[in-house]
Amino acid sequence: DAGVIQSPRHEVTEMGQEVTLRCKPISGHDYLFWYRQTMMRGLELLIYFNNNVPIDDSGMPEDRFSAKMPNASFSTLKIQPSEPRDSAVYFCASSPRYGYTFGSGTRLTVV
Amino acid sequence: DQQVKQNSPSLSVQEGRISILNCDYTNSMFDYFLWYKKYPAEGPTFLISISSIKDKNEDGRFTVFLNKSAKHLSLHIVPSQPGDSAVYFCAAREGQKLVFGQGTRLTINP
Repeated sequence: DAGVIQSPRHEVTEMGQEVTLRCKPISGHDYLFWYRQTMMRGLELLIYFNNNVPIDDSGMPEDRFSAKMPNASFSTLKIQPSEPRDSAVYFCASSPRYGYTFGSGTRLTVV
Repeated sequence: DQQVKQNSPSLSVQEGRISILNCDYTNSMFDYFLWYKKYPAEGPTFLISISSIKDKNEDGRFTVFLNKSAKHLSLHIVPSQPGDSAVYFCAAREGQKLVFGQGTRLTINP
């Protein structure tokens, strides 16, 4: 198994642009999580899905952030419009029930 | 509000000595606690965990201690090795969610 695959690995964009981060979870994992890593707050949970259904999006910082999971093998996290304070590393993780496997992350820089 | 806190952003330890990483939490409903290790440009990987009904769990060089009354857990690494240099995240489980701390950067000096 290739593990959790995230793309792109790095993204540099200008303020105001739309950014889309992608994640392919491990096959058979029912749960998918989006986290954001910052120096101040560490790893923050943004949203998680169970069987493609969003369960808890209380960590999504603003309406500028949205996430979808159209099928069991793909999820996206979109930021529109992006702002410099969104610069961070975004991780996707999947889990069968317990036990997370993280992807390698997307480093987002908004200038 | 930060439910899981790691108050030491960094720690430096000499090779062969003991490394002790600390973590505090506020939510009594957490039922499991975990430590993750993260190398640069990689995602966090699971290291060791402990159930809330236990006070100690050991796996090789790694031991996690839980003090429920103090809402405190610690990770002991002994002896510390250069490959242990990484960022360590403490996490607590609530339902299906893991709540993470800010992380502690551990540096093992030769």
